[in-house]
Amino acid sequence: GNSVTQMEGPVTLSEEAFLTINCTYTATGYPSLFWYVQYPGEGLQLLLKATKADDKGSNKGFEATYRKETTSFHLEKGSVQVSDSAVYFCALSDHGSNYQLIWGAGTKLIIKP
Amino acid sequence: NAGVTQTPKFQVLKTGQSMTLQCAQDMNHNSMYWYRQDPGMGLRLIYYSASEGTTDKGEVPNGYNVSRLNKREFSLRLESAAPSQTSVYFCASRRFFGAAGELFFGEGSRLTVL
Repeated sequence: GNSVTQMEGPVTLSEEAFLTINCTYTATGYPSLFWYVQYPGEGLQLLLKATKADDKGSNKGFEATYRKETTSFHLEKGSVQVSDSAVYFCALSDHGSNYQLIWGAGTKLIIKP
Repeated sequence: NAGVTQTPKFQVLKTGQSMTLQCAQDMNHNSMYWYRQDPGMGLRLIYYSASEGTTDKGEVPNGYNVSRLNKREFSLRLESAAPSQTSVYFCASRRFFGAAGELFFGEGSRLTVL
């Protein structure tokens, strides 16, 4: 069945450091891929998405490229800020999962000033 | 911009008590969802409603029931609460039932069952 695996946290970085959070997936079809972010005390919100191979999603300085050959959708940001501290979730959706989102376990990111 | 509104935000129950979590969205979305979030486990789908008038079980439906009251409202009921149901519950909605749609989440309801 479909599944999403993302790197365990917490990930602790200093401000202005480069960020990578790894996400790999298993899917029977051609899924859409998502990154959601959850700030403390809030619900999740969409950060970016990609719907087909080689698409790059981007938002707020974050980027992720849909790599079908490596079944990956890694999240990157060139220079993180304290305000980026949050939990990041990778997810997929396709007909094989009846269009329900299949979620990774989440990666907590802590940025120190 | 209200988006998705959940009530209550916090609730403490004793084992065996019942309660209903309410959810309403004002975005005219067709699909609505209930998730639970537990530490280290990500989000798990409890029930969903692909469109008004339909409901279906998700990954962890046992111990829960739902009602899609109308297009706006989707409630989650715990008939006899158990400590294993201590969790943070999120309601979400999506415009259409399909692969690429964005989910919009409420702020969550933190439930503790003693």
